[in-house]
Amino acid sequence: QQQVKQSPQSLIVQKGGISIINCAYENTAFDYFPWYQQFPGKGPALLIAIRPDVSEKKEGRFTISFNKSAKQFSLHIMDSQPGDSATYFCAARGADKLIFGTGTRLQVFP
Amino acid sequence: EAGVVQSPRYKIIEKKQPVAFWCNPISGHNTLYWYLQNLGQGPELLIRYENEEAVDDSQLPKDRFSAERLKGVDSTLKIQPAELGDSAVYLCASSLGPNNEQFFGPGTRLTVL
Repeated sequence: QQQVKQSPQSLIVQKGGISIINCAYENTAFDYFPWYQQFPGKGPALLIAIRPDVSEKKEGRFTISFNKSAKQFSLHIMDSQPGDSATYFCAARGADKLIFGTGTRLQVFP
Repeated sequence: EAGVVQSPRYKIIEKKQPVAFWCNPISGHNTLYWYLQNLGQGPELLIRYENEEAVDDSQLPKDRFSAERLKGVDSTLKIQPAELGDSAVYLCASSLGPNNEQFFGPGTRLTVL
């Protein structure tokens, strides 16, 4: 019940395309859903986050869509750029603890 | 503003040897976390400190792992003795409080031979 399931494991997108990463959870007590971006040799960095009382949040090219009834949330990267190539992790917070998904390796080709 | 500092960045040891990792959090951050990140996986929490108190160490394998955060600032994570399966990246993160944004350091990549 503490798991966060993330898909796909890897994603290849053409420059200018839309990248979509999906996550699902079971624990309805989770109260905060962040997405992290990690480059090789670096620690994860917060990209964007949402709370369960909001269905969508947009920051620049990055959008989180949240479906509370389905217990699913997704990250959309519009106009994907080669600089977006990284590993993306969804996460969910419960009892002051972040539970991370298994990650999606995104490659954006010119 | 300086980020979370970790050292060493890389460590290679023989199995059964001890190893220690050091973390200096962002100034003013009361909450400090140690995470384990296996290859191709997301970070998993090992221990969380509020100031100098370990408030969540339920996932820390206490037979071989230990941690301390003296004076509520820097922290050290130790493994003794190391096993082959401990090869991973050990991440330190800090935040103002338990419900604030976590800032991660670059990690220490441990290889146990």
